Amino acid sequence: DSGVTQTPKHLITATGQRVTLRCSPRSGDLSVYWYQQSLDQGLQFLIQYYNGEERAKGNILERFSAQQFPDLHSELNLSSLELGDSALYFCASSATLWDTQYFGPGTRLTVL
Amino acid sequence: AQKITQTQPGMFVQEKEAVTLDCTYDTSDPSYGLFWYKQPSSGEMIFLIYQGSYDQQNATEGRYSLNFQKARKSANLVISASQLGDSAMYFCAMREQELNPSGQNFVFGPGTRLSVLP
Repeated sequence: DSGVTQTPKHLITATGQRVTLRCSPRSGDLSVYWYQQSLDQGLQFLIQYYNGEERAKGNILERFSAQQFPDLHSELNLSSLELGDSALYFCASSATLWDTQYFGPGTRLTVL
Repeated sequence: AQKITQTQPGMFVQEKEAVTLDCTYDTSDPSYGLFWYKQPSSGEMIFLIYQGSYDQQNATEGRYSLNFQKARKSANLVISASQLGDSAMYFCAMREQELNPSGQNFVFGPGTRLSVLP
């Protein structure tokens, strides 16, 4: 157990819908990262937050948004969902910008 | 240019034998870190081992060791005495001190799928 929690574990929804994925980092970690992993693909970096502020942005679609709250948990919002958004979404956390990232168990999103 | 290259998309190893998974990296940053992660079929990403660019000795964690050759910019993962449970996808990753244009300083390689044969 990495100490990073993600909810829900599985999510099945329809095209056009909106979902929210939630992540709680390890105790004491200030940085949160979101990644997308499509079937048999590598990890695509989406976005990073550090102590509540957006720090880095990767290949994140405009339909996706995220935030990190004062208690350091983070949410990833996916809207106007398309079939191609079906993937495993990971949250990771690290103590600082330069420490090891520890990953949550992931949320498997299926868009029908 | 790719920051992290893992040239072996898939590998097979016999149970109880050792296996080396290749990773080469590209950076001009003098201070960087190299990581290996394991992703079994269940999906979770498990941190295995870390090597800092200034570390004098190769990192080891149980059956995992990192063969760090700084001049060649390689950071190969060696798994000794392979077990069936080692069958998984393995990702090499690098953290640089400097941020890239998107503000990111952490990059993953494409991964190598290891299959351990009984």
